[in-house]
Amino acid sequence: EPEVTQTPSHQVTQMGQEVILRCVPISNHLYFYWYRQILGQKVEFLVSFYNNEISEKSEIFDDQFSVERPDGSNFTLKIRSTKLEDSAMYFCASSGQGQNIQYFGAGTRLSVL
Amino acid sequence: SQKIEQNSEALNIQEGKTATLTCNYTNYSPAYLQWYRQDPGRGPVFLLLIRENEKEKRKERLKVTFDTTLKQSLFHITASQPADSATYLCALGSRAGNNRKLIWGLGTSLAVNP
Repeated sequence: EPEVTQTPSHQVTQMGQEVILRCVPISNHLYFYWYRQILGQKVEFLVSFYNNEISEKSEIFDDQFSVERPDGSNFTLKIRSTKLEDSAMYFCASSGQGQNIQYFGAGTRLSVL
Repeated sequence: SQKIEQNSEALNIQEGKTATLTCNYTNYSPAYLQWYRQDPGRGPVFLLLIRENEKEKRKERLKVTFDTTLKQSLFHITASQPADSATYLCALGSRAGNNRKLIWGLGTSLAVNP
């Protein structure tokens, strides 16, 4: 069964460093998302991406964040200068044309020290 | 502001019984509501979707109801098994065009005891 894959599974970084989280969505999907989940808290929407542009972004998704689909398969989330409060699980999801169901990857645990 | 509330207490039930989880929302008119399962350290896994014009949906041992007047969804697992132990998340989606973001509840932890 097709699945969303995320790498790395765990990323440790120093405050102020840049990180790139990578995702390979399901191959024929057109809608892509990033969410995050701080330990013990709700899953929070960050950004949605369709037709090579951002469809919507939340207040969390400030100038420190960016997304890119550099080729036909990858979808990346970049945090330019990480803060301690960026420590969380980051989930990538994708959905197909006409579908509201979102399929999630296993997540990347980001630890900012 | 939009608010989604799920059973705050963890739910402990005996194997074979029916688990019922609640999702209430305010200040929102979702086009659809979804239930996901999340295991520790893992991503959410889709279970069921119900639209605003639907009252009930079933899939195997799972049943979901949606009452847009009460602004509530109930999620039932019948003949529960220890393997059903997980956190169950309620997520609401809007109808706007390419905007398909989901807004999430905190989840309810379910433990099914053998």
